[in-house]
Amino acid sequence: GAGVSQSPRYKVAKRGQDVALRCDPISGHVSLFWYQQALGQGPEFLTYFQNEAQLDKSGLPSDRFFAERPEGSVSTLKIQRTQQEDSAVYLCASSLGGASYGYTFGSGTRLTVV
Amino acid sequence: GDSVTQMEGPVTLSEEAFLTINCTYTATGYPSLFWYVQYPGEGLQLLLKATKADDKGSNKGFEATYRKETTSFHLEKGSVQVSDSAVYFCALSDGPLLTFGTGTRLTIIP
Repeated sequence: GAGVSQSPRYKVAKRGQDVALRCDPISGHVSLFWYQQALGQGPEFLTYFQNEAQLDKSGLPSDRFFAERPEGSVSTLKIQRTQQEDSAVYLCASSLGGASYGYTFGSGTRLTVV
Repeated sequence: GDSVTQMEGPVTLSEEAFLTINCTYTATGYPSLFWYVQYPGEGLQLLLKATKADDKGSNKGFEATYRKETTSFHLEKGSVQVSDSAVYFCALSDGPLLTFGTGTRLTIIP
């Protein structure tokens, strides 16, 4: 597609529920990044893929967070047993390479845990 | 670790005013520097970038110069428009990842 597509745009989850957030990157972009943006804050790094390989997951806040990109294209960020502190906007970005190439961000998924 | 500190907002200016949003950074290496913009309801967009000291990035009338001696990358525009109202993020990279500042909300009033 022309841009990075994220779905759903909004998600309300009850505490303890599992959620899955989808990212469809720009075709041909080998790098894919997930960031978490709390209200009033800048995006914070979660994890990074190059093709299907997860090269860095140091930003994932707990073992409840899991990301995959099995075929090197679409990626899914899964959060198990959601907690209120997980409420944030989850941003996906793709790039031809790293940051110096410029990221293209999706519009994000706003997760609210109630 | 690497970090970015940017001017706290919100910033409110009248149309045609001069804009400066301050950004300073801390990095162990020689990072690339970026400004991203987030318009209401939209995703983050790259506004401009600079990859080495003394480089000037520019786009849509905005400019920022990479100052290694002051570790700064301040965003400027000579005459702002209502359409410039958005949240602006300064960021750096010293590898594949971006490290962002907290963002500065800019509102331009007619």
